[in-house]
Amino acid sequence: AQKVTQAQTEISVVEKEDVTLDCVYETRDTTYYLFWYKQPPSGELVFLIRRNSFDEQNEISGRYSWNFQKSTSSFNFTITASQVVDSAVYFCALDSGGGADGLTFGKGTHLIIQP
Amino acid sequence: DADVTQTPRNRITKTGKRIMLECSQTKGHDRMYWYRQDPGLGLRLIYYSFDVKDINKGEISDGYSVSRQAQAKFSLSLESAIPNQTALYFCATSGGGSYYNEQFFGPGTRLTVL
Repeated sequence: AQKVTQAQTEISVVEKEDVTLDCVYETRDTTYYLFWYKQPPSGELVFLIRRNSFDEQNEISGRYSWNFQKSTSSFNFTITASQVVDSAVYFCALDSGGGADGLTFGKGTHLIIQP
Repeated sequence: DADVTQTPRNRITKTGKRIMLECSQTKGHDRMYWYRQDPGLGLRLIYYSFDVKDINKGEISDGYSVSRQAQAKFSLSLESAIPNQTALYFCATSGGGSYYNEQFFGPGTRLTVL
């Protein structure tokens, strides 16, 4: 069985602070994919990143960066110099079924950026 | 225009009523999915379809049914709605090739069952 744990239910920081959202996953498969999605207050789901299990290189996209560590089964997401617009619920998700049964989502982390 | 659309966007209904949520996509994807989101629980898979003739149950299919009318359309039905089906419902699609599992989500349908 596969599982995604986002232990941080809610995080609140002041604007311009750096913040890291944790994601720990469980799967028995050797080939799998990890995702992050953003859900702003408007409710839609915005795709942020997809990473496969064979690529452990860290990814940076502007103020966003992702740290994938297979040794600890973690795929953490860091926002540098946070902004109010970053306020949202962030979901980590896992696909280890070859797309056969959709994505397994974590419960999400509600990020609040205070001005 | 949005690639994945859902109708209605909001719906309030009463216990026992039959309701259908519709999803259409213009991405040309074969795979379509229905998820529900409950506060604090993330998204959970209800049903998925790999093509018009292929329908599969997800994690929480009880109380729901689906219909894949065409490659571009995937409908979710609640035969007899109950209050604990109050949730935000998302449709998603994914294509083939090396990005087969990158899912594109519709805007969501907020359903309230009284």
